[in-house]
Order: sequence, then C-alpha cells, then structure tokens
Amino acid sequence: LAKTTQPISMDSYEGQEVNITCSHNNIATNDYITWYQQFPSQGPRFIIQGYKTKVTNEVASLFIPADRKSSTLSLPRVSLSDTAVYYCLVGYNYGQNFVFGPGTRLSVLP
Amino acid sequence: EPEVTQTPSHQVTQMGQEVILRCVPISNHLYFYWYRQILGQKVEFLVSFYNNEISEKSEIFDDQFSVERPDGSNFTLKIRSTKLEDSAMYFCASSGVLAGGLSSYNEQFFGPGTRLTVL
Repeated sequence: LAKTTQPISMDSYEGQEVNITCSHNNIATNDYITWYQQFPSQGPRFIIQGYKTKVTNEVASLFIPADRKSSTLSLPRVSLSDTAVYYCLVGYNYGQNFVFGPGTRLSVLP
Repeated sequence: EPEVTQTPSHQVTQMGQEVILRCVPISNHLYFYWYRQILGQKVEFLVSFYNNEISEKSEIFDDQFSVERPDGSNFTLKIRSTKLEDSAMYFCASSGVLAGGLSSYNEQFFGPGTRLTVL
C-alpha cells in the first residue's frame, strides 16, 4: 500500500480557498487517489477521487500532476463548517483496506 | 440516501467482559470493514469481510476479535475479553460494486461509530 504524507494542520479564514497537498511517491499504476473528511466523533466521509489530471465535484477539486506522486485537494471558499480532518488515501479496488495517516487538521477561522 | 447504521452509539463495559458491536451495512454492498479510532489518534483498520469470510485483518485484530454476518444484513464485531486499551470509537464501513465510472472506486461508506468505554 502506498504511503501518504500530508501537513498535520492548516489554518484558513472563511471565504478563502484552501489547498491541501498530499505526497504519495510510491503510488502504483492501478492506484486511485481518494480524499476523506472527518468531523469530530463521526466516521470519515468520502469527498472526491481521481486517477490523473483534474476532477471536480460539487464540494471540491482534485489536482493530480502527470507523475501522480502528489495530489492537491482544493476547497473553494471554505466556511466554518469545513473545519475537519482531511485524509488522503491511495488504493485501487473495493476491498481496499485503507491505511489512514494522521490527516490534515483544517481549522477555518471567522 | 442509504447509510450505514451502528448500534449502540455508546457501550460501557467492565474489563474482561465480552461486547458485540452491531452494524447494518448498505444493503447492496459486498465489502464490509471495521476500523477503530482511539481518542485523538488516527483511524486504524481492523478487518475486512467479503463473501462471508475475512479477506484481510490487521495485527490489531487478534484472537480476542471476531466478526460475523449472521443474517445477511447485520455485520458484527465481537471482542471476547475487553481490555482497557480497547476503549475507542469503532466504525463499520461498507463498499459496493462498481456502478460504472470512477466514482465508486475506494468509496467506503462509514457508519456513525460506537464509542466503547472499557472500565
């Protein structure tokens, strides 16, 4: 399983765009990159997934360079409710047993 | 929207007692998982279950732990003799069949968790 590295914490202000970068130097050809969000005392929640280039959904964008050794989760115009821990994971199939790192603790300030 | 449910939300037990944590995965999913999260720490994988058998387990999942899918809807985690260090939030998750497109890969649906407190 590819190991991931992300910043431990980030601070932002409401209305700003937040970019969280994850390194995954040992990503395998078949691996997809997936981001989860976790609020306190809740289970992780799927945000977005991609394989290469750029993926966008209603809550976030995911940028993946050609070498796929890193990825950047972009949250546009964050609000206080986006304060959470964000996890970057790599894997390739339904039976994937995720190895969660410590994630990035995002604090959105008023 | 379908969701994973877990019961109870909070379980308090004495050290050495057996506990069973229950989960109802999303009905058409095929893969089931248990994770745990000790307060303030990262989410840790325990076990995955597919086709009525364990497909993978971590080193945390020792002989004190077992899983079962007794009736086709429930998915249970049993801890035979609880220890103080088993106190944690336990999350059940499930994932399903590719429905066409990338969006279904790696998308595990997590339940709200059961907070286990061992005294």
